[in-house]
Amino acid sequence: ETGVTQSPTHLIKTRGQQVTLRCSSQSGHNTVSWYQQALGQGPQFIFQYYREEENGRGNFPPRFSGLQFPNYSSELNVNALELDDSALYLCASSFPGGVNGANVLTFGAGSRLTVL
Amino acid sequence: EDQVTQSPEALRLQEGESSSLNCSYTVSGLRGLFWYRQDPGKGPEFLFTLYSAGEEKEKERLKATLTKKESFLHITAPKPEDSATYLCAVARGGADGLTFGKGTHLIIQP
Repeated sequence: ETGVTQSPTHLIKTRGQQVTLRCSSQSGHNTVSWYQQALGQGPQFIFQYYREEENGRGNFPPRFSGLQFPNYSSELNVNALELDDSALYLCASSFPGGVNGANVLTFGAGSRLTVL
Repeated sequence: EDQVTQSPEALRLQEGESSSLNCSYTVSGLRGLFWYRQDPGKGPEFLFTLYSAGEEKEKERLKATLTKKESFLHITAPKPEDSATYLCAVARGGADGLTFGKGTHLIIQP
C-alpha cells in the first residue's frame, strides 16, 4: 500500500511569483485536503477536494486554489506569493464514511516553501 | 470558532518518567478528536481517534482519554524514540477539515 507522496520536497520562490505543489493520494483514497503549517504552529486547513470539486475551504484567500484529477491526485496553486506564505504544505488523503463522519487523514511528508 | 489549545508547549522527560499531555478544545458539534505524532521534517502520523466523552484508547506506551472539554495523552515509561511533536485536532465532520493545536514538543532523554 503506497502512502501519500508530495513533490517537490523543497523550493524557493520570490515574492509575487506563482507556485504549484503536487500530491498523489494513498491507494484507495478519493478525498484530498491541503494544510499549511508555519514554523512552530499546527497545520491549518486550506481546502478539501472530493470528486474533482472543492467541497470545503478554510480561511485562505482565493489566490490559494487547487485541482483534483480523475486518479485522485491533486495540485495546490498559490498566486502572488507573499513572505508569510513560507511554510510546510501538507497534503492528506482520506476515504469518506469514517465513524461519525470524522475521517482519518493520511499525510504526506510535505513541501517546504520558502518565499524571499 | 473552533479552538484547540495544547499544553505544555514543550516537555523534557527522562527515559521511564511517565507524564501527560493536555488538549483543551472548544468546538460546536464534535465528531472526533484526533492525536497525531509529527517527527522533524515529516508529515503528521495518525495515532488515535476518540469520538465521545469517556472513551479511551491505547497503543504501546500511549493512552488517550477524552472528556467533554479536553483530552489527555498519557505516556507511560517513555523511551527516546517517543521524542516528537504531538498534535491534537478536532473534527466537525464532512468537509470542514481538522482544527489543530500548536502541538507539544516532547523530548525523552536517555
